[in-house]
Amino acid sequence: KAGVTQTPRYLIKTRGQQVTLSCSPISGHRSVSWYQQTPGQGLQFLFEYFSETQRNKGNFPGRFSGRQFSNSRSEMNVSTLELGDSALYLCASSILAGGGTGELFFGEGSRLTVL
Amino acid sequence: TQLLEQSPQFLSIQEGENLTVYCNSSSVFSSLQWYRQEPGEGPVLLVTVVTGGEVKKLKRLTFQFGDARKDSSLHITAAQPGDTGLYLCAGERNSGGSNYKLTFGKGTLLTVNP
Repeated sequence: KAGVTQTPRYLIKTRGQQVTLSCSPISGHRSVSWYQQTPGQGLQFLFEYFSETQRNKGNFPGRFSGRQFSNSRSEMNVSTLELGDSALYLCASSILAGGGTGELFFGEGSRLTVL
Repeated sequence: TQLLEQSPQFLSIQEGENLTVYCNSSSVFSSLQWYRQEPGEGPVLLVTVVTGGEVKKLKRLTFQFGDARKDSSLHITAAQPGDTGLYLCAGERNSGGSNYKLTFGKGTLLTVNP
């Protein structure tokens, strides 16, 4: 059974640019969540999508956005990049049959460096 | 203010020693999950505890959920180098209707030296 796949694994951008990260969940999983991980703040919740609808959102500025497609694949976009956006961005999928978070299956992450 | 406080932040021990990692909050959670993350990988779920006072054992790992469902601990017996990693606790709360939100602590970075 294929796991959660995130692309790209590593990328370097400069301030002011934008970036799009992609996540393919485990087959059959309809919930996709995104997290930002930094040494100082740990894992911070960005947003969660379920059946193409954003169901939960964390406390990040509007520069951070996402979407989910009909095949459950998800993308997140960060516009006008800042140095502080350098982080590991993790995507997690869940089968989520009903209420509750359930077990999250994480990808290996996309390591973003902003210069 | 961090919703979930984990302690200690760093822990370096010798193989064979025992250790306990704590996860504390002033909030009540419907469930609490523990994950382990190894370098270059995403976190992997170890256990979910749901009932106040619940104790779960996974080989040499023992997880406990506080009676009030506000705190949890992870105890490792006879630690091995393979236990090295970042241990994360995550509390689940209802954010309205059927929506739930999972909040992570900052983690405990454990190093077990041979």
